[in-house]
Amino acid sequence: NAGVTQTPKFQVLKTGQSMTLQCAQDMNHEYMSWYRQDPGMGLRLIHYSVGAGITDQGEVPNGYNVSRSTTEDFPLRLLSAAPSQTSVYFCASSYSGLGGTGELFFGEGSRLTVL
Amino acid sequence: AQKVTQAQTEISVVEKEDVTLDCVYETRDTTYYLFWYKQPPSGELVFLIRRNSFDEQNEISGRYSWNFQKSTSSFNFTITASQVVDSAVYFCALSAPALNDYKLSFGAGTTVTVRA
Repeated sequence: NAGVTQTPKFQVLKTGQSMTLQCAQDMNHEYMSWYRQDPGMGLRLIHYSVGAGITDQGEVPNGYNVSRSTTEDFPLRLLSAAPSQTSVYFCASSYSGLGGTGELFFGEGSRLTVL
Repeated sequence: AQKVTQAQTEISVVEKEDVTLDCVYETRDTTYYLFWYKQPPSGELVFLIRRNSFDEQNEISGRYSWNFQKSTSSFNFTITASQVVDSAVYFCALSAPALNDYKLSFGAGTTVTVRA
């Protein structure tokens, strides 16, 4: 069972470079999201999608872009990386909203360092 | 607005001791859901429990138990007879579907270290 797959697991960037974190799920989940984890702050929602073609901002969206062209994939793009984006990024998916089935399935995380 | 506070940053115990993790939440919604997740040293996030705001029954699952008290807005988590494998970061989280059915608000996490 693949579940939620994130790539790459580790990445080092220089300030100003761009990159895409990939996320794919094979559970036919409508809802997908990206969180970032920083020490002492827990996880914070960056962007989310409730279905193909539909995305919305979370609480810390600045500096990140997303798109959802298929149900399976939800890439996160950093257009011009900044040191403040050094973090661990988690992709998550669920069958329905949290008031429904209630469980988010998380990927293994991607550790990004911006120098 | 919704907020989760985990006041304990780190807890260190000796194996077989009990450990209780505190979680205090804030929300204006009457319908909400509370979660606990475990993040072991390997880094993945493991779902432990979800509780809705209308169910205040305590829950026990093996060595894990949860105490939900709406009167004090708390959803505390106890590990009984702790083991080294319980060493992890534990996150409490809250969702309020009326505001946003898709956002989990996480606490800062509590790092539990169980020493042999």
